[in-house]
Amino acid sequence: TQLLEQSPQFLSIQEGENLTVYCNSSSVFSSLQWYRQEPGEGPVLLVTVVTGGEVKKLKRLTFQFGDARKDSSLHITAAQPGDTGLYLCAGLGGNMLTFGGGTRLMVKP
Amino acid sequence: DTAVSQTPKYLVTQMGNDKSIKCEQNLGHDTMYWYKQDSKKFLKIMFSYNNKELIINETVPNRFSPKSPDKAHLNLHINSLELGDSAVYFCASSQGTGGVGYTFGSGTRLTVV
Repeated sequence: TQLLEQSPQFLSIQEGENLTVYCNSSSVFSSLQWYRQEPGEGPVLLVTVVTGGEVKKLKRLTFQFGDARKDSSLHITAAQPGDTGLYLCAGLGGNMLTFGGGTRLMVKP
Repeated sequence: DTAVSQTPKYLVTQMGNDKSIKCEQNLGHDTMYWYKQDSKKFLKIMFSYNNKELIINETVPNRFSPKSPDKAHLNLHINSLELGDSAVYFCASSQGTGGVGYTFGSGTRLTVV
């Protein structure tokens, strides 16, 4: 069974701070996705990284796929209250998407 | 237009009942999924259909039976509901099985009392 561990599980920061969320596994994935989920809604896909070492930017969010395609990180610069939510990483392997346990982020004004 | 729509949004029912959740996608995707999200927000895949054929069937009690009448629909029927079935169930779709365009519905919160 492929497992993805996310850290930290919870993060509460002030507006303007930077943060990094990590997603680690002992398994290799063909690609890795990051989602954001709001209360009462389904996860919304933010980005897919495919190549080892790949870096993608989405405004203030920077996503990196590890060289060995086993881990990934999400860095948010100058966090804003609108970034508050549950961030989920998910690895694709064997036609199946395996989700991490999620990081609940709260950004206080 | 909602891309992946699930009904109902909320479902409260008694133990032992049988219930169904419906899912429809208008994205033209050929692969659909059912996920279960528990109270700790952990999302786990239950089933996946590609072109109406079952391709993933994780360890799920056989009280759960998915049905895909066509590529745009994937319904979930649950027999003899148990307290532990209480969770949020998400339908999702993608183009192919490579995770392209993965889109989730807004979920069905099932509460078994």
